[in-house]
Amino acid sequence: EVQLVDSGGGLAQPGGSLRLSCAASGFTFRTFDMHWVRQSPGKGLEWVAFISDTGYSIKYADSVKGRFTISRDNARGSLYLQMNSLRVEDTALYYCAREGFGEVDYWGQGTLVTVSS
Amino acid sequence: DLVLTQSPLSSPVTPGQPASISCRSSHSLEHSDGNTYLSWLHQRPGQPPRLLIHKISNRFSGVPDRISGSGAGTDFTLKISRVEAEDVGVYYCMQGTQFPYTFGQGTKLEIK
Repeated sequence: EVQLVDSGGGLAQPGGSLRLSCAASGFTFRTFDMHWVRQSPGKGLEWVAFISDTGYSIKYADSVKGRFTISRDNARGSLYLQMNSLRVEDTALYYCAREGFGEVDYWGQGTLVTVSS
Repeated sequence: DLVLTQSPLSSPVTPGQPASISCRSSHSLEHSDGNTYLSWLHQRPGQPPRLLIHKISNRFSGVPDRISGSGAGTDFTLKISRVEAEDVGVYYCMQGTQFPYTFGQGTKLEIK
């Protein structure tokens, strides 16, 4: 069974940092591209970042470019999102998600990031 | 960026009746590899999204055949032939044809 377990969320001050993690199991992690997607409270979905299976191809949404860094450790089966220079508008539930069939197919349960002073 | 526009944004439906949601893209979603990466997701309250349909019309594992997808180019439709109580929640279309991946605004399906 495919499982994605998100963790690392919490309260941060504006300008602060957080590192999110996603532990994958139930599939061969190193062969799948991965994403982070976020959802602000009561709002819709916003794609945040992508990393290819090898880690060589990386893409970001303009809203986080230069502040967030996506990475992965294929030996550990883990995906990460380093978030720096956090803003109030980064407050959201962050989901890691797997790309299969050329599209996002499995989602983690999400980890909540709150940016507030 | 590719903009996806869903309609309606809210849909009250009587159990047993059909429901239909439209998703229109600002540009064609056909990829250079010949595929069209348009998927449909369902999100129940307090739950992560769940994939229903991928590449326009392919049902994901465990999705009942009363749920179907169709369309091409810029116009796509999700249909539920007979709505059941478990279908409540928000439905999103999503495109993975080009970065940044984008989502429709969501359509809230409610049971009358």
